[in-house]
Order: sequence, then C-alpha cells, then structure tokens
Amino acid sequence: DSGVTQTPKHLITATGQRVTLRCSPRSGDLSVYWYQQSLDQGLQFLIQYYNGEERAKGNILERFSAQQFPDLHSELNLSSLELGDSALYFCASSVGGGTGQSPLHFGNGTRLTVT
Amino acid sequence: GESVGLHLPTLSVQEGDNSIINCAYSNSASDYFIWYKQESGKGPQFIIDIRSNMDKRQGQRVTVLLNKTVKHLSLQIAATQPGDSAVYFCAENPLSGTSYGKLTFGQGTILTVHP
Repeated sequence: DSGVTQTPKHLITATGQRVTLRCSPRSGDLSVYWYQQSLDQGLQFLIQYYNGEERAKGNILERFSAQQFPDLHSELNLSSLELGDSALYFCASSVGGGTGQSPLHFGNGTRLTVT
Repeated sequence: GESVGLHLPTLSVQEGDNSIINCAYSNSASDYFIWYKQESGKGPQFIIDIRSNMDKRQGQRVTVLLNKTVKHLSLQIAATQPGDSAVYFCAENPLSGTSYGKLTFGQGTILTVHP
C-alpha cells in the first residue's frame, strides 16, 4: 500500500458530463501529481501541486482543472467529457516540490469510462 | 523529441532466472531515473531510483544500471518469482528545457514469469 488514496475506484458517466476525482496524498507529502494512463498514450503527466500552489503543468486539457486544498488533498475536475477521456487517472504524491528530489508514490487510480 | 522508450517489449522468463529490462532515454539533461512496477488493477509501485552521478544502485533483489554515455538504463531482477510478473516502467526527470520537473514515463515492458 503506497499510502495514496484515490476515490472513486470506478466512474461511469456520459459524454458532456462533469466529474470530480479525489486524492489524499501520503502523510507528510506536500506535492500531488495527476497522471492519465490510456492504452495508446501510456502514462501522461497532467499537473502538479505543491503545498496548495500549482507547480508544473503537462498535457492537461483546458476542460480539465485541479486544485490542492489546505489539508493537501487534491481534486481533478473533468468537464464536457468526451469518449476519448476514458482512461485511468492516477494521483501520486512526494515529499518535495520537484520530481528530481524524491520518488513519486502512486495511488491505485480511478477508472473513468465515458459512454 | 524528449522521450523515454521501452518500445513495448515482452519478456518471458522461468522462475528462478535473472531478468533484465532495458530502457533507452533521449534527454541527456535528465538527472534522476526511477523504475516502477505496475500490476493489473493497481497503480505504479516504486522499485528503485538512481541519480545521474551514480552508475549502479542495488536494492533487494534488484539492481539498476545507468550508462549515461549511451543513455541507457536497465533493471536487473535476481531470482525472478511469479509475483514479479507485471509491467515495468522506467521514468526520467529532466532538469532543463520544457520538460523540467515533469517525470516522463516509458511505454513499459511486460514481464511474465513462468513457474
């Protein structure tokens, strides 16, 4: 068990809808990262927050947004969902603010299916 | 472009054999490398990491080798067990350029261990 908790485990929704994925980092970790994993794209970095502030941005669509709250948990909001958004969404956390300082520890993901 | 590639190989070994999983990276600015193991239905699990000032690092039954000259990374698993069957990813952290701070994953290698 990595100590990173993600909810829900599975999510099925229709195109055009909006969903929120939740992540609780490991105790003591200040950084939260969001990754998308699909069969054709592999693991793609979306965004990183460090102690409540956005730290780095990857290939995140404008329809997607995230935030990190004062208690350090994070939410990823996906709106105007399309079929192509179906994927596994992983949250990871680390102690430091940069990925070169300590390894990322991943949760078990949320499987999103858009129908 | 910047990438960490595993070219989707599959490796099949017999229980008790040693396994070697290879990874080529293209970003010479990367300073930090990590190996992850992903089992079905779970998130990537940290195995071992190495910094660019090292050539070799050992863990429990695993060894990571880094050859910066040819930009090659390998993971050696000793006495492979059926529980080692999973997808293995290498990841790099570049310290410059547009990918600064973004952990980039390879496509993965499927390891199958036969009893």
